[in-house]
Amino acid sequence: DAGITQSPRHKVTETGTPVTLRCHQTENHRYMYWYRQDPGHGLRLIHYSYGVKDTDKGEVSDGYSVSRSKTEDFLLTLESATSSQTSVYFCAISESVRRGGTDTQYFGPGTRLTVL
Amino acid sequence: AQRVTQPEKLLSVFKGAPVELKCNYSYSGSPELFWYVQYSRQRLQLLLRHISRESIKGFTADLNKGETSFHLKKPFAQEEDSAMYYCALRTFGNQFYFGTGTSLTVIP
Repeated sequence: DAGITQSPRHKVTETGTPVTLRCHQTENHRYMYWYRQDPGHGLRLIHYSYGVKDTDKGEVSDGYSVSRSKTEDFLLTLESATSSQTSVYFCAISESVRRGGTDTQYFGPGTRLTVL
Repeated sequence: AQRVTQPEKLLSVFKGAPVELKCNYSYSGSPELFWYVQYSRQRLQLLLRHISRESIKGFTADLNKGETSFHLKKPFAQEEDSAMYYCALRTFGNQFYFGTGTSLTVIP
């Protein structure tokens, strides 16, 4: 497995509370991504980063914010958690934009978040 | 807009039977397609990519631009192939779009 860790691995929280998930990589890859995985929806991109302090929205970004102050860390914050944000969250990293290269995405182990 | 469609949520086959997991895509640019697999209690991992034209664990996938498809095939399914399979499209800008996944069960 590529050097990607996520913390916490499991979290239960209440509606309206803020939650921050952390993704940490040791591969020095440029790109980092946050996805959520839900039955019937597959993986959907929340936000991604293409460098330190460079981030952009994905297809399901409402209710989420991100920050990347260092190459190795990408934080996902739910400012005020809702039950619809109960999901499994995956972080991923990627290096190259060069088409046809051998690079792809490498995934973290996931964080299971339950919002009551 | 880019989109990846996997029409089958669940697929069951008997051990030794051929298996095909369907994937169709929609993208105005030149597509770069991948298959990822997630075994029980493991993280997603790359299975194969169309650029490499490789065979991994007996699986192959051919990009058909005319039909905008990238179906995953294996001639003889094994029990260890039981997993969740995702088709993914990489677009310009290094964004990845995933299908909804197909859960494959190989019956002994």
